[in-house]
Amino acid sequence: QVQLQESGPGLVKPSQTLSLTCTVSGGSISSGSYYWSWIRQPAGKGLEWIGRIYTSGSTNYNPSLKSRVTISVDTSKNQFSLKLSSVTAADTAVYYCARVYSYGSVDYWGQGTLVTVSS
Amino acid sequence: DIVMTQSPLSLPVTPGEPASISCRSSQSLLHSNGYNYLDWYLQKPGQSPQLLIYLGSNRASGVPDRFSGSGSGTDFTLKISRVEAEDVGVYYCSGKLTFGGGTKVEIK
Repeated sequence: QVQLQESGPGLVKPSQTLSLTCTVSGGSISSGSYYWSWIRQPAGKGLEWIGRIYTSGSTNYNPSLKSRVTISVDTSKNQFSLKLSSVTAADTAVYYCARVYSYGSVDYWGQGTLVTVSS
Repeated sequence: DIVMTQSPLSLPVTPGEPASISCRSSQSLLHSNGYNYLDWYLQKPGQSPQLLIYLGSNRASGVPDRFSGSGSGTDFTLKISRVEAEDVGVYYCSGKLTFGGGTKVEIK
């Protein structure tokens, strides 16, 4: 059973960079034709794709966030990471990491981690 | 950019009765391989979303057969044949890395 766990600071100051890591257990991040993705959800609102990465390193980002987002993968640690720069209060949300099939379906989700942007 | 539009926004349901949610995309989700790249998710209160339907009409592992997905191209429907109390939550469609706004299903 694959499990994903997000980790990182729960509070980030405005204009700084939000950094989160997702640790994958129960399977190798390099096995299978999967992408690894970040998705976020502001409180009381809907879901928003941030981006995804293949283990080769190829990425796809949400155009609305592309200028501020970097997703990377560390296969040796079975982890992938998110960096979101120049954050504002609008970036306050629960951030989920997820495993994604090549055709876009998310079959495994992390439990989510709340990140608050505030001074 | 693709836009995914769901309706209704809110759906009060009676246990044992059917329910239906619509999802419309601004771009076709029909791939050249014949599959529709459209998924349905349910987010129960306080939980992470869970995959219900993938590729338009395929139930994910462990999903009860009262859930079904249909449609092609730009118009899709999720149907629950007989709603149960455990089906409450917010339903999202998703295509081309874009989610719909969600439909909140609650018991009358």
